[in-house]
Amino acid sequence: GAVVSQHPSRVICKSGTSVKIECRSLDFQATTMFWYRQFPKQSLMLMATSNEGSKATYEQGVEKDKFLINHASLTLSTLTVTSAHPEDSSFYICSARPARGHTEAFFGQGTRLTVV
Amino acid sequence: GQNIDQPTEMTATEGAIVQINCTYQTSGFNGLFWYQQHAGEAPTFLSYNVLDGLEEKGRFSSFLSRSKGYSYLLLKELQMKDSASYLCAVKDSNYQLIWGAGTKLIIKP
Repeated sequence: GAVVSQHPSRVICKSGTSVKIECRSLDFQATTMFWYRQFPKQSLMLMATSNEGSKATYEQGVEKDKFLINHASLTLSTLTVTSAHPEDSSFYICSARPARGHTEAFFGQGTRLTVV
Repeated sequence: GQNIDQPTEMTATEGAIVQINCTYQTSGFNGLFWYQQHAGEAPTFLSYNVLDGLEEKGRFSSFLSRSKGYSYLLLKELQMKDSASYLCAVKDSNYQLIWGAGTKLIIKP
């Protein structure tokens, strides 16, 4: 299957700082990328959907000014957690879909964010 | 509202067969997915059903009944490495994935 690379896999940051997470599709062009957050023992919660070259669509309850998403190219999307707080500590996962209507989305490895 | 239900946890014995059920109520239906997720890792794709019936792929099979809003994942010849969470997800009319909470499968020797 297609490969999606997410970096970093783990990050620890101080409260109040910002963290950037990258999601790259290595062998296909991703017209759409999804960002999820997963708390322990819970399912994936969609945070936002980003389409290349346009603004991301955020799910209800997700602060767009706090979770900045950039999808500047067909192979790269970034999520920046600004002014991170301990409650932002979570597992963040991106997925990428090769083309509109394609059945399967491919997941990155996930990023474990710990805010201290 | 939209809802995906699956058991929270199941236990099975190595070498045996286990069936993980998933029922769904969504606004529209454009396919059902099963993913495997090991602790601390991202989900990996197992199967996709859009038509009624059974899809077999090696030790794993997935069944769908759209009229009943029901699917199951069947795992045969269980191995210890199959211990993981299994996530059911439905693509709704907007092609958004609606996720179940996952079923934690514990395999015992």
